Amino acid sequence: QVQLQESGPGLVKPSQTLSLTCTVSGGSISSGGHYWSWIRQVPGKGLEWIGFIYYSGTAYYNPSLKSRVTISVDTSKNQFSLKLNSVTAADTAVYYCASLGYNDRNFDYWGQGTLLTVSS
Amino acid sequence: DIQMTQSPTSVSASPGDRVTITCRASQGVSSWLAWYQQKPGKAPKLLIYVASSLQSGVPSRFSGSGSGTDFTLTISSLQPEDFATYYCQQADSFPYTFGQGTKLEIK
Repeated sequence: QVQLQESGPGLVKPSQTLSLTCTVSGGSISSGGHYWSWIRQVPGKGLEWIGFIYYSGTAYYNPSLKSRVTISVDTSKNQFSLKLNSVTAADTAVYYCASLGYNDRNFDYWGQGTLLTVSS
Repeated sequence: DIQMTQSPTSVSASPGDRVTITCRASQGVSSWLAWYQQKPGKAPKLLIYVASSLQSGVPSRFSGSGSGTDFTLTISSLQPEDFATYYCQQADSFPYTFGQGTKLEIK
């Protein structure tokens, strides 16, 4: 059973860069069966796909965030990471990492989520 | 972007009831449609993928149907643990998008 766990600071100042890491256990990022994804949810609101990365390093981003987002992967640590720069209060949300099935295109495993607040 | 519209936004029902939630895509998504259940303070949980395939471990009272632009999630006999928010999600084209959610409440 694949498990994902987000880690990172709970608070970021406006205009700074948000950095989160997702550690995968119970399976290898390099297995090739999944894309590794970030999704966020403003408290009380819906879900927004941020982007995902394949173990090879190929990444896809939501155009609405593409200019500010970088997703990277570290196969040696079985981790992938999210960086979002120039954050504002609108980026305050629960950030989830999730695995996206390569064939079925569904988010089958999710981390528990981490609340990131943008505030001075 | 493909817009996903769910209806109703909220629904009240009683244990044992049959409930249907609909999801409409602004353009065809073939069968690339998934359904998720989310409880307060928890991550979403995959229920149905490629429109009608039941995820392993999900009770058979959940079922999905549809293709193209119109999809449904049906819960045949509501159990107390089913009261939650449900989201649809299209995976036909980037960016992948979710519906706004349907909150299923106890009557």
